[in-house]
Amino acid sequence: GAGVSQSPSNKVTEKGKDVELRCDPISGHTALYWYRQSLGQGLEFLIYFQGNSAPDKSGLPSDRFSAERTGGSVSTLTIQRTQQEDSAVYLCASSPHWGDGYTFGSGTRLTVV
Amino acid sequence: QKEVEQNSGPLSVPEGAIASLNCTYSDRGSQSFFWYRQYSGKSPELIMSIYSNGDKEDGRFTAQLNKASQYVSLLIRDSQPSDSATYLCAVNSGSQGNLIFGKGTKLSVKP
Repeated sequence: GAGVSQSPSNKVTEKGKDVELRCDPISGHTALYWYRQSLGQGLEFLIYFQGNSAPDKSGLPSDRFSAERTGGSVSTLTIQRTQQEDSAVYLCASSPHWGDGYTFGSGTRLTVV
Repeated sequence: QKEVEQNSGPLSVPEGAIASLNCTYSDRGSQSFFWYRQYSGKSPELIMSIYSNGDKEDGRFTAQLNKASQYVSLLIRDSQPSDSATYLCAVNSGSQGNLIFGKGTKLSVKP
């Protein structure tokens, strides 16, 4: 596609429920990243995929968070047993190669009530 | 802990002036440097990248890199009200695949 596509754009969920966030990167981009941004805060790195290599999960805040990337393209970020502190905008980005600048998607605003 | 530091602002400049935004980073192994612009409620947009010491110009924007001082800056000439946004500095170190972002400087250009 022309840009990075994320869905849903907004998600309201009850505390304790599981959520799945989807990211469709720019076609041909080998690197895909997930970040989150809380209100008034900076960008917090979550996880990074490069080609077929094992993902860098070093930024995941707890074992309730997981992500996968199927076929080197679409990625899903799953948050289990959501907590109120998980409320944030979750941003996906892709880049042609490692070390290149990113193109961000428009984000998923997650609200846990 | 690798860090990227920016003055949070707000930085207020009059229309037509030069806005100067600064960023320092802690990892001497850093190789790639980026500036992103983020409008309120929107996602970050890449505006400049720089990889070697010196200046890089693109239209009204100039990025400056000094690896010895671990310092990156962004100059915006002839600032316009539409430049009002938060500017994020991002650094890619040689040992990590992901960018480390500063918390951003909020710029306000007054008509």
